[in-house]
Amino acid sequence: QVQLVESGGGVVQPGGSLRLSCAASGFTFNIFSMHWVRQAPGKGLEWLTVISRDGSNKYYADSVKGRFTISRDISKNTLYLQMNSLRTDDTGVYYCARAKSGTWNGMDVWGQGTTLTVSS
Amino acid sequence: QSVLTQPPSVSGAPGQRVTISCTGSSSNIGVGYDVHWYQQLPGTAPKLLIYGDTKRPSGVPDRFSGSKSGTSASLAITGLQAEDEADYYCQCFDTSLRGSVFGGGTKLTVL
Repeated sequence: QVQLVESGGGVVQPGGSLRLSCAASGFTFNIFSMHWVRQAPGKGLEWLTVISRDGSNKYYADSVKGRFTISRDISKNTLYLQMNSLRTDDTGVYYCARAKSGTWNGMDVWGQGTTLTVSS
Repeated sequence: QSVLTQPPSVSGAPGQRVTISCTGSSSNIGVGYDVHWYQQLPGTAPKLLIYGDTKRPSGVPDRFSGSKSGTSASLAITGLQAEDEADYYCQCFDTSLRGSVFGGGTKLTVL
């Protein structure tokens, strides 16, 4: 079945780095744009970044621009989020999601989320 | 403070109809970009409920419908059921931000 599984979350000190992974299965990974969305504890959804099908186009929210990098490995059917210069307000659940079609046409498949805690 | 404004909460009795508004601006909804809606049940990942303003993905009951006018969009839920109790989010592309934005979310309580 169509599935996204995130991994890589954990506890990191402020200023630290971490890489999240999102393993895709059950669909042709390289024909869909992919997003990362996060949710701080008790808060709403925040869009972070998107990567195009071939990885040539990437867009970022201002809150993570210059600190986070999205990438994908087609051979491994895996999406990544490299997070540097982490801050306490980066704490939350991180979801990867598939764009239904194109880049901005809704997210129709979501992972279960992986939790990042940034704390000293 | 989100670029898309939603009411923090709405409520209704079983069987009733409720609507959730999503107010944007001339840099997102107002220029015609599609609005999408998500349902997030407690402790779970979001689920796409409406895409392209009015379309329902396969499996979503027709009790859920979307509409858009000017700089605002709305999600309507008819025949309210206890299982509809969840958080609902709207989403749209924003040209000024050159990225996607979510509304702040609306908590639906079924009385």
